[in-house]
Amino acid sequence: DTEVTQTPKHLVMGMTNKKSLKCEQHMGHRAMYWYKQKAKKPPELMFVYSYEKLSINESVPSRFSPECPNSSLLNLHLHALQPEDSALYLCASSQGGTHVWTDTQYFGPGTRLTVL
Amino acid sequence: AQSVAQPEDQVNVAEGNPLTVKCTYSVSGNPYLFWYVQYPNRGLQFLLKYITGDNLVKGSYGFEAEFNKSQTSFHLKKPSALVSDSALYFCAVRDPMNSGGYQKVTFGTGTKLQVIP
Repeated sequence: DTEVTQTPKHLVMGMTNKKSLKCEQHMGHRAMYWYKQKAKKPPELMFVYSYEKLSINESVPSRFSPECPNSSLLNLHLHALQPEDSALYLCASSQGGTHVWTDTQYFGPGTRLTVL
Repeated sequence: AQSVAQPEDQVNVAEGNPLTVKCTYSVSGNPYLFWYVQYPNRGLQFLLKYITGDNLVKGSYGFEAEFNKSQTSFHLKKPSALVSDSALYFCAVRDPMNSGGYQKVTFGTGTKLQVIP
């Protein structure tokens, strides 16, 4: 099973709202990722967690706050977003560990975020 | 720095004909290469990867890709296209010499494949 689930599928929020995106995997993967994808563009890496610790932050604005409560869950907390933050937010996971260079990332279906 | 290029924004092919989606890469060391497919409003689905060994890699849904080190290419192929193959295809590369961290994968800009009935 290579399933990564994401909730919600769609989210509409105002610029003053606080919301969270959730990602879950039960493949025993130890690396989890958040990507942002604009229409017809490649995914852009935002954050990487490895063994539940933040290992990469691609200079993402602080209005995006990631959290990894345990090895299966990854959250992205959103606050005071801008309309230009509207995009498809993708979560991915990979095995991590010893063979990290050959790791394959498996993606969830994404959350379509619209900021009004 | 690692990079990958997909020179065609769109590829059109008739159903039943062979298809090729092109990808070239640039890395410092030996590349690890991946192909993903994305259907509208969906996440990316892993198709196949090249790590080492046989230059012809077989993947999901009848797709295969050929690694060519001299031409720094990793083109995706399928002998007979289906209308259901119509989607956005991304090539990706990971460079072991990349100082940015092993988890970083660089994606190409994507190629839209349109299979015409």
